[in-house]
Amino acid sequence: AQSVTQLGSHVSVSEGALVLLRCNYSSSVPPYLFWYVQYPNQGLQLLLKYTTGATLVKGINGFEAEFKKSETSFHLTKPSAHMSDAAEYFCAVSEFSWGRRALTFGSGTRLQVQP
Amino acid sequence: GAGVSQSPSNKVTEKGKDVELRCDPISGHTALYWYRQSLGQGLEFLIYFQGNSAPDKSGLPSDRFSAERTGGSVSTLTIQRTQQEDSAVYLCASSFGGVGPGETQYFGPGTRLLVL
Repeated sequence: AQSVTQLGSHVSVSEGALVLLRCNYSSSVPPYLFWYVQYPNQGLQLLLKYTTGATLVKGINGFEAEFKKSETSFHLTKPSAHMSDAAEYFCAVSEFSWGRRALTFGSGTRLQVQP
Repeated sequence: GAGVSQSPSNKVTEKGKDVELRCDPISGHTALYWYRQSLGQGLEFLIYFQGNSAPDKSGLPSDRFSAERTGGSVSTLTIQRTQQEDSAVYLCASSFGGVGPGETQYFGPGTRLLVL
């Protein structure tokens, strides 16, 4: 069974500071990993994903994440936070199983950006 | 192009009533998913449709929940005899299908359901 743990339900940073949102996964097979962002009263929007190949993945809005198999982690980073980054962020995993494609989500991290 | 649309955006109902939630996927997407987002349980998978294959219903929490997908496009999630614990945001997503579990799922804005 697969699972996702996001450390820190709330993270607060100053505008211009580094953003680091943590995600650890558990999977019995090579995982496919995703980060989604959710703005208030909106659906989820894909930020980036790791499937195969390069372990450092770049996404939209300046975000990137690195897949580290040895640490079972897929942390999300952004060098300089912007006020518009304030939102809730979800890490998700999908196993390599053709019969099941549902995403398993973490509990989410709400990012606050202080001026 | 149009994204995933859901209706209604908000629904208030009384305990015991039935509700229907609608999802219009992105045109050409053969895979469709329903998820539920609630304060206590986070984001949970409910059901997955892929083309004409039998749906994966493994996430449905009880037999009060059902879903259908007509003509391989529009889907309706039905909750019978609603309970207060059904209050949540119901999210629909679609994907191109046929590529594998790494493909991107595109989410709609959700239907916010409140059961009084």
